[in-house]
Amino acid sequence: AQTVTQSQPEMSVQEAETVTLSCTYDTSESDYYLFWYKQPPSRQMILVIRQEAYKQQNATENRFSVNFQKAAKSFSLKISDSQLGDAAMYFCAYRSAWGNSNYQLIWGAGTKLIIKP
Amino acid sequence: DVKVTQSSRYLVKRTGEKVFLECVQDMDHENMFWYRQDPGLGLRLIYFSYDVKMKEKGDIPEGYSVSREKKERFSLILESASTNQTSMYLCASSTPGLADAYEQYFGPGTRLTVT
Repeated sequence: AQTVTQSQPEMSVQEAETVTLSCTYDTSESDYYLFWYKQPPSRQMILVIRQEAYKQQNATENRFSVNFQKAAKSFSLKISDSQLGDAAMYFCAYRSAWGNSNYQLIWGAGTKLIIKP
Repeated sequence: DVKVTQSSRYLVKRTGEKVFLECVQDMDHENMFWYRQDPGLGLRLIYFSYDVKMKEKGDIPEGYSVSREKKERFSLILESASTNQTSMYLCASSTPGLADAYEQYFGPGTRLTVT
């Protein structure tokens, strides 16, 4: 069974600096998708960025980028020029590309990101 | 924009009560999900549905049931609420097929307290 591990329960960063959130996963599959979701305080969970395992190029979305290391099964999120609005819980999630299990996401425990003004 | 709404943001119920949590999405999505979110545990899947009247158990279905009579509505039912069901409940929807559509869209959540 697949698992997702976020080893940092909480991270803090000074406004305008860069922070990296870690995520590792375990799978025997070769084709899958990885996601970072953001849950701001008292607001809805939203997708930040996704990565297809068959793509070697790391995904980027404005100030958000990932470092996808398939062999190491690592999928970290880098937030550049941190802003106060980036304060949130961040969840890493895995999705198989195969079979009936492809409806489900496997979630990490989350990392609380604190932005210091 | 996809909109997923949940019937209540906060709910307080007594032990033994039957509790209904409603979720409605407006994007004609086939898939709908109910998660439970607890600190340090991330999101755990309770049930999901991939079509009207179809449902499958997730990782923690015990003590819960679901109903999907219409495509846009997915209900979570706690048959006899217990204090260990105090939690945040999140509903999500998605549509299968395209890579972009693997994204799940979430409702605002219902914080349920059982006393």
